[in-house]
Amino acid sequence: QVQLVQSGAEVKKPGASVKVSCKASGYTFSNFFMHWVRQAPGQGLEWVGVTNPSGTTTAHAQRLQGRVTVTSDTSTTTFYMELSSLKSEDTAMYYCTQDLHEWGQGTLVTVSS
Amino acid sequence: QSVLTQPPSVSAAPEQKVTISCSGSSSNIGNNHVSWLQHLPGTVPKLLIYETNKRPSGIPDRFSGSRSGTSATLGITGLQTADEADYYCATWDGSLNAAVFGGGTKVTVL
Repeated sequence: QVQLVQSGAEVKKPGASVKVSCKASGYTFSNFFMHWVRQAPGQGLEWVGVTNPSGTTTAHAQRLQGRVTVTSDTSTTTFYMELSSLKSEDTAMYYCTQDLHEWGQGTLVTVSS
Repeated sequence: QSVLTQPPSVSAAPEQKVTISCSGSSSNIGNNHVSWLQHLPGTVPKLLIYETNKRPSGIPDRFSGSRSGTSATLGITGLQTADEADYYCATWDGSLNAAVFGGGTKVTVL
């Protein structure tokens, strides 16, 4: 069955960067785009970005323009989401999701001085 | 301020029906399929409806989706206490070249 296994929780200082991974298995890697979605404490779901499996086609939320990069590694069937210049408002649970059908377990990113 | 507008909350008694609206525009709901997600605190979101009105396997037919113009609706019949959760609509916005979510609707079973 489809499995999306994300990397562990991160604590970062403001201004730092974080890179979250999402290891995919149980399906044909090349067939599905991977989205990233986050939820800050007490807030709703927010779309972060998307990449095709080869990483050649990507898009991201305008409000994160210039700070977010979504990539993939076909050799390890792993997707990545990197967020730079972290702010306290970036504190959230980050999920990878295969077209909203399958979800990773979530990675808590905490930004605190 | 979400691109898609949902009511903050809806409520009904057990076994009753609720509907959740999701209002958008021609750049999103009007020309793209809509998905609906259920999210309980501390859990991973669950897909209830995809491609506007299709249910993944395992989702009961108490849940239904529809669209009219630039608005979509999620219906839940035979309301159960287990249905108490936050519900989100989502779709692609061609003008923004981005996926967009509604602000979420909290369902309360009275």
